[in-house]
Amino acid sequence: EAAVTQSPRNKVAVTGGKVTLSCNQTNNHNNMYWYRQDTGHGLRLIHYSYGAGSTEKGDIPDGYKASRPSQENFSLILELATPSQTSVYFCASGPGLGVETLYFGSGTRLTVL
Amino acid sequence: QQKVQQSPESLSVPEGGMASLNCTSSDRNFQYFWWYRQHSGEGPKALMSIFSDGDKKEGRFTAHLNKASLHVSLHIRDSQPSDSALYFCAATSSSGSWQLIFGSGTQLTVMP
Repeated sequence: EAAVTQSPRNKVAVTGGKVTLSCNQTNNHNNMYWYRQDTGHGLRLIHYSYGAGSTEKGDIPDGYKASRPSQENFSLILELATPSQTSVYFCASGPGLGVETLYFGSGTRLTVL
Repeated sequence: QQKVQQSPESLSVPEGGMASLNCTSSDRNFQYFWWYRQHSGEGPKALMSIFSDGDKKEGRFTAHLNKASLHVSLHIRDSQPSDSALYFCAATSSSGSWQLIFGSGTQLTVMP
C-alpha cells in the first residue's frame, strides 16, 4: 500500500511565525496534495502538484505556499502563521492518471497561538 | 454551498444493524465518486469507488450511484464497532483538473 509520511505530527507555532509542514511519499506518485480538515468543512484543498517543480493553487490557497523539490517531497509553508490556520493538515499522493485514488498521511495537527 | 453535501452529519446504529449514508453533488460535471473512511487519529483511507449507475458491492459495503440525480449512497450491513469512523464522500470531474472534492463527512458510531 502507498506510504505517505508527514512531519511533524504536532506543531505549536506563534502568530506571525513561519511554519513548514513536510510530506514524503515512497510510491513514485506524480500527484501530491495538501488538504486541511476542520469540523463542518471536511477536507479542503490548499495546494497540489503534478510533479517535481510544479505547484498549483487549490480552493483555499491564501496564506499558504507550497514547494515540490522532488518527486518524493512536498512541503506546505505558512510564511506568517495566523490563529485561523490552526487545523489538521493532511498530505496525499495519487498516481496522476486522471480519475485516481488518493493515499493520505496521518496528518499534522497545527496550533497557532 | 458545498459542491458535495453529505447527510446525516452523525449516525448511530446498533452492532449488527444497517448504516445508510447519503451524498449529493450540486455539480453535474461530477461523475466519479469515492467513499473514504477516517478512524480517529488517522488519515482518510479510500473505501470504495463507484463510477457507473447502479450498485457496487464489496463485502459488507454497498455503494449506489444515480447519476441523473447526482446522488450516491453507502450502505453498511452487519455493522461492527470497528466501522465507527468519519465517512467522507468525494467526487471528481472529467473536465478541468481532476481535483477530488470532499463532503463534510458523516460520523458513524456503531454501538456494541
